[in-house]
Amino acid sequence: ILNVEQSPQSLHVQEGDSTNFTCSFPSSNFYALHWYRWETAKSPEALFVMTLNGDEKKKGRISATLNTKEGYSYLYIKGSQPEDSATYLCAFSNSGAGSYQLTFGKGTKLSVIP
Amino acid sequence: DVKVTQSSRYLVKRTGEKVFLECVQDMDHENMFWYRQDPGLGLRLIYFSYDVKMKEKGDIPEGYSVSREKKERFSLILESASTNQTSMYLCASSERGETQYFGPGTRLLVL
Repeated sequence: ILNVEQSPQSLHVQEGDSTNFTCSFPSSNFYALHWYRWETAKSPEALFVMTLNGDEKKKGRISATLNTKEGYSYLYIKGSQPEDSATYLCAFSNSGAGSYQLTFGKGTKLSVIP
Repeated sequence: DVKVTQSSRYLVKRTGEKVFLECVQDMDHENMFWYRQDPGLGLRLIYFSYDVKMKEKGDIPEGYSVSREKKERFSLILESASTNQTSMYLCASSERGETQYFGPGTRLLVL
């Protein structure tokens, strides 16, 4: 079983603060790294898929970077808003036969305080 | 928009009952997945299917089986429900290596 670690497990920030969290994954046989946002009572929603070392993706105030050589990705949220409150999941796939199979981290639960 | 639907949002069953959870996707995706989500454990893969009538065990297949008779439908079966199968069950679909699209989840309580 592949190990995907996310930190911190949870954090509380004030509205307007910027924040970031980390996802660590195995650096061998890398295929793709996914980020999802999971709001309470909703389905997990895809944010980014990254495949190349050095990839940076951006969607509004949220951005992500990828380092496949050392096996980590950062997710950044600039100027957090209450609607950003959610659990953020990262998921890793390797280049073997199961490249369509994702291994998820346990998530980082973000609470943005108005 | 991709749509993945699950047959029930909430389900209450008794120990020993046979339980069917249904999932349907409308994007002609090859791959379909069943996960369970428990506090502190994250999403764990139960079974997946990469084609009609094909299935592969995930990380925690014990106590479960699956059926994929049609491309758009993937069923999760609890042969004899037990209290430790009380959980949130999520279905997802994708093309190979691409983003997985999730259904709304079924919260199952086994008494």
